[in-house]
Amino acid sequence: NAGVTQTPKFQVLKTGQSMTLQCAQDMNHNSMYWYRQDPGMGLRLIYYSASEGTTDKGEVPNGYNVSRLNKREFSLRLESAAPSQTSVYFCASSDRASYNEQFFGPGTRLTVL
Amino acid sequence: DQQVKQNSPSLSVQEGRISILNCDYTNSMFDYFLWYKKYPAEGPTFLISISSIKDKNEDGRFTVFLNKSAKHLSLHIVPSQPGDSAVYFCAARAKTSYDKVIFGPGTSLSVIP
Repeated sequence: NAGVTQTPKFQVLKTGQSMTLQCAQDMNHNSMYWYRQDPGMGLRLIYYSASEGTTDKGEVPNGYNVSRLNKREFSLRLESAAPSQTSVYFCASSDRASYNEQFFGPGTRLTVL
Repeated sequence: DQQVKQNSPSLSVQEGRISILNCDYTNSMFDYFLWYKKYPAEGPTFLISISSIKDKNEDGRFTVFLNKSAKHLSLHIVPSQPGDSAVYFCAARAKTSYDKVIFGPGTSLSVIP
């Protein structure tokens, strides 16, 4: 009963490096999301995918790309990491049948030096 | 421009007393509101929600009140327990953008034994 899983749990990058954060859910949810959490800012939506094959920008999409690989998986890519992208990243999934109650993964703590 | 505001970054309450967490919103298109609870090093978990057609929703020790005219909602926890110590996020969704859930900055609740 894994729910939403994220890899890696921790990552340190140098400015300019690239990386992909992976997310998978086993609840057969249609919608998936990527958020970042920063002190005093709450959770800010980066990108979301309402269904397989579609993606849309959220509040803070600049510097990120996403791929909805299939119904289960939604990845977040940083092409050229910047110190401003130091944050905790959460993936979530939901289904309209549950009125958009979102189920979150445990998070990835990313530091960009 | 934060659409969902939680003006108290932190709150301390004695065990057994009532905890009241407040949330204000600016977008009149919001029609569904959610509260999430987050422990350190974990992802947020759904707590309780309320539709804009209601003014109160209760689930055990947790009650959410909605005042649409004031664009204000509050979460009441009675009685408060030490295990309730966590960060609480208020979130809202607009009828025009079903999949976009906007989160507030969070309130850190400490319940003192």
